[in-house]
Amino acid sequence: DGGITQSPKYLFRKEGQNVTLSCEQNLNHDAMYWYRQDPGQGLRLIYYSQIVNDFQKGDIAEGYSVSREKKESFPLTVTSAQKNPTAFYLCASSIGAEGSREKLFFGSGTQLSVL
Amino acid sequence: AQSVSQHNHHVILSEAASLELGCNYSYGGTVNLFWYVQYPGQHLQLLLKYFSGDPLVKGIKGFEAEFIKSKFSFNLRKPSVQWSDTAEYFCAVNANSGNTPLVFGKGTRLSVIA
Repeated sequence: DGGITQSPKYLFRKEGQNVTLSCEQNLNHDAMYWYRQDPGQGLRLIYYSQIVNDFQKGDIAEGYSVSREKKESFPLTVTSAQKNPTAFYLCASSIGAEGSREKLFFGSGTQLSVL
Repeated sequence: AQSVSQHNHHVILSEAASLELGCNYSYGGTVNLFWYVQYPGQHLQLLLKYFSGDPLVKGIKGFEAEFIKSKFSFNLRKPSVQWSDTAEYFCAVNANSGNTPLVFGKGTRLSVIA
């Protein structure tokens, strides 16, 4: 059953703590993305990666970091520098060959809350 | 940089009413246009997309959208909504060159009441 798996579904962060959100895909897609969804704000791009070992900042990258060591994995770390981390985080992927025209496949999301 | 405006934050309709959700984008070049939908408790999924050709595109579940280049618009329509259309709808755009990521609008929440 192909798709994108995000874990955990719910995550709590203490002040000053870094947390890592997992995103794994078995669709053999080249491109992967992280979006943040806030009520009334839509989806805002945090980071994206079009190929292994390469990634680019999105519109709101400050306070976040990513890695792309494997094609199927694109973990997102929310660092202590992110002052307002409470949000719903969505991971997505696309085939990537003609990336601009390909639809995105989304995971089920991770809700991050600050304790 | 591209930007997308969805002017309706929350729309409430009765079943069988007609739907039109507005979407305007800001970008000077050629664009690809998308509508995504997020049903309660489900993943975001693609409704329809436009790249070129006929500006009236049809998607899943009876939805359609019309690209009007002169108005920088890509409005979503459905002649008769059902209760199951209750969801959040997102318009998205990217430049039709290279592998540019999608820019999403803020979304419109549609509530269909019986």
